[in-house]
Amino acid sequence: DIQMTQSPSSLSASVGDRVTITCQASQDISQYLSWYQQKPGKAPKLLIYDASNLETGVPSRFSGSGSGTDFTFTIDSLQPEDIATYYCQHYADVPPYSFGQGTKLDLK
Amino acid sequence: EVQLLESGGTLVQPGGSLRLSCAASGFSFRSYAMTWVRQAPGKGLEWISGISGSGDRTYYADSVKGRVTISRDESKNTLYLQMHSLRAEDTAVYYCGKDWAAAVAGVDHWGQGTLVTVSS
Repeated sequence: DIQMTQSPSSLSASVGDRVTITCQASQDISQYLSWYQQKPGKAPKLLIYDASNLETGVPSRFSGSGSGTDFTFTIDSLQPEDIATYYCQHYADVPPYSFGQGTKLDLK
Repeated sequence: EVQLLESGGTLVQPGGSLRLSCAASGFSFRSYAMTWVRQAPGKGLEWISGISGSGDRTYYADSVKGRVTISRDESKNTLYLQMHSLRAEDTAVYYCGKDWAAAVAGVDHWGQGTLVTVSS
């Protein structure tokens, strides 16, 4: 099974900062990677699919890049409403489609 | 508008059984794969099971394989997760999700979750 390693596990940033989270796959997953945002007590929300495609309705300050085994998720100009936990997930080959461990983002 | 409504979560004793349901609306149910993801208290997301849109392919995480069965009823637009031999470590919020393709892939819409507590 493919394992996903996400870092950092937590991150503090200020409003307006550029925030970057990385995700590494244990083997080549091409661009079969998505990013989700989860706020406390809520279901996850899809932000990015196929590594770099922005889901409809998601603000353009969110972006993703990468292919193969190394991926990056970026928030340009952090907003207060972006405080959440972020997860990567692969969907390459056959399931199980594991998630990264999550990155908890809070305000400095 | 896509809507997913989970139900069936409750307190169950170790070794017990439970069936979760997920009522779907707002999309062509048979055209999309469906997925179950769980989240233990204070922990991250764990993919546990998926089923293709046609229902002919099912997949399970090792942590639940042999104890869980995913199924779907097209006549009721409902997804199910039958769970047996429940353990304390199965305690979690269980989310159902609509995949964005007929084959199991990623989830683009989520339900609100239903809490399963395994305890004596």
